[in-house]
Amino acid sequence: EVQLVESGGGLVQPGGSLRLSCAASGFTFSSYDMNWVRQAPGKGLEWVSFISTGGSIIYYADSVKGRFTISRDNAKNSLYLQMNSLRAEDTAIYYCARHSVVPTAQWGQGTLVTVSS
Amino acid sequence: EIVMTQSPATLSVSPGERATLSCRASQSVSSNLAWFQQKPGQAPRLLIYGASTRATGMPARFSGSGSGTEFTLTISSLQSEDFVVYYCQQYNNWPPLTFGGGTKVEIK
Repeated sequence: EVQLVESGGGLVQPGGSLRLSCAASGFTFSSYDMNWVRQAPGKGLEWVSFISTGGSIIYYADSVKGRFTISRDNAKNSLYLQMNSLRAEDTAIYYCARHSVVPTAQWGQGTLVTVSS
Repeated sequence: EIVMTQSPATLSVSPGERATLSCRASQSVSSNLAWFQQKPGQAPRLLIYGASTRATGMPARFSGSGSGTEFTLTISSLQSEDFVVYYCQQYNNWPPLTFGGGTKVEIK
């Protein structure tokens, strides 16, 4: 069974940093592209970032470009999102999602990031 | 960036009735359109991909249609667990991946 478990969320002050992790199991992680998607409280879905299987291809949404860094460690079956210079508008549940038939075919349960002073 | 517009924002339907949800793309996305279902407190779940292919395990009462810029999700006979939020997503031309704003299906 495909499992994606996010962690690392929490309360952080504006301008601060946070590193999210996504632990994958139940499939060959190194064979799948991955994405991060976020959802502000009570709002819709916003794609954040993409990374290819080997990490050579990376994309970001304009709203996070230059502040967030996606990475992966295939030996550890893990996906990461380093978030710097956080703003109030980055407050959201962050989901990792596996690419199969569509870019976000399977999702983790999410981790909540709250940016507030 | 392709803008996805869903209508209506809220749809009031009686249990057992049919629900029809719409999704429009600002430019053609061919058939590269997915629908997701999101229950309260849960992550979105893939419902339909390729505009009309049901994802594994999704009930036959869910069907998708359309191509180009106009798409429809139909729920043939609403069950209690279907009164939740639905999102469309285009994956034809990305980045960025873009989602519609969602349609909440509520009990009439």
